[in-house]
Amino acid sequence: GQQVMQIPQYQHVQEGEDFTTYCNSSTTLSNIQWYKQRPGGHPVFLIQLVKSGEVKKQKRLTFQFGEAKKNSSLHITATQTTDVGTYFCAVPNYGGSQGNLIFGKGTKLSVKP
Amino acid sequence: KAGVTQTPRYLIKTRGQQVTLSCSPISGHRSVSWYQQTPGQGLQFLFEYFSETQRNKGNFPGRFSGRQFSNSRSEMNVSTLELGDSALYLCASSSLNRDREATDTQYFGPGTRLTVL
Repeated sequence: GQQVMQIPQYQHVQEGEDFTTYCNSSTTLSNIQWYKQRPGGHPVFLIQLVKSGEVKKQKRLTFQFGEAKKNSSLHITATQTTDVGTYFCAVPNYGGSQGNLIFGKGTKLSVKP
Repeated sequence: KAGVTQTPRYLIKTRGQQVTLSCSPISGHRSVSWYQQTPGQGLQFLFEYFSETQRNKGNFPGRFSGRQFSNSRSEMNVSTLELGDSALYLCASSSLNRDREATDTQYFGPGTRLTVL
């Protein structure tokens, strides 16, 4: 079935360093979403990418969708302690309904002040 | 608008018991999805309801069931609880995205932390 691989599983950075997490699919995606889950919290929607090669920015966060629409990345510039949490990518489950997402395993980011 | 609410927030049950979890979606949202989150398996889709109908079901045993009411509120039920059912159960409601290539955004509730002893 539909799968999405997310790497790395963990990332420890010093405050001010950059951070990147990657998601890869074996099949072409119609879109990809990114979520952030703070420790003890619930996933919160960050962004959705739809177009091939799309790049979107939210302050220090940069999201990219690959040209082949099979991979995506989230890059954080100059991390801050407020960036701590787990970042998930999510893709639609083909053959499923709109509310059926497949989530990557997530990348857990820790930031040392 | 108020966010997605889930009750109860925490629950402790013993093996063999059953449990019912409740979810109230964001006002106006008609789609409600349920996910199970565990450290080992991550976030896994359980089922989705839209206008009181189950639109899709994930790969979970029949002990897991759900329903949706006319006001879009949803409940999920787990019968004959097993130790492995201990997890964070998340409910999400969706807003309609009119872009054909886009998927509805999921707005998650705080979850119900279920512990099975």
